[in-house]
Amino acid sequence: AQSVTQPDIHITVSEGASLELRCNYSYGATPYLFWYVQSPGQGLQLLLKYFSGDTLVQGIKGFEAEFKRSQSSFNLRKPSVHWSDAAEYFCAVGRLDSSYKLIFGSGTRLLVRP
Amino acid sequence: DAGVTQSPTHLIKTRGQQVTLRCSPKSGHDTVSWYQQALGQGPQFIFQYYEEEERQRGNFPDRFSGHQFPNYSSELNVNALLLGDSALYLCASSLGQIFLYQETQYFGPGTRLLVL
Repeated sequence: AQSVTQPDIHITVSEGASLELRCNYSYGATPYLFWYVQSPGQGLQLLLKYFSGDTLVQGIKGFEAEFKRSQSSFNLRKPSVHWSDAAEYFCAVGRLDSSYKLIFGSGTRLLVRP
Repeated sequence: DAGVTQSPTHLIKTRGQQVTLRCSPKSGHDTVSWYQQALGQGPQFIFQYYEEEERQRGNFPDRFSGHQFPNYSSELNVNALLLGDSALYLCASSLGQIFLYQETQYFGPGTRLLVL
């Protein structure tokens, strides 16, 4: 069965520091991978997605993620964090064959120190 | 262009009651998916509607049912509410088969349901 693991429940970084949020998935074939962000009281906003092609994906708000098949990972990165990036981040995986659903990880809460 | 809208924003019910949540998809979208997000967890897929039919269902009991209308809006119904049904219910819309055509699901702000 598919699964998504986000090993870090909370991460705290200083404003201006770099950020990496980890995501590992379990799936036999090439998955479709997504990162969403959720601010308090709001729905999920798509940051970026990977379907195929270049394994380094650029997203909105200066985020990027790299698909590494050998490590079954899709880590999210940002070179310089802003206070407004504080939120909950979710990695999700999807597959084409008869399933139209997204499987989400349990999320990583990002706290930003001033 | 309005995004995905959901109503109500908050709801309080008691055990055993029934609840109906509503979702209007993003303009131009014809597919609606529902997710349940318990506190501290990631969203879990409930089901998806396309062309007024349930196309895919997650691991949720029959107490959870839905409907899609000709204008693509959708309702989620939950019968015989349990305390464990307390969660944020998210609606997402997309155009057609999201993975086949590399479409994106857009999420609404959710309905926060509290069951007492």
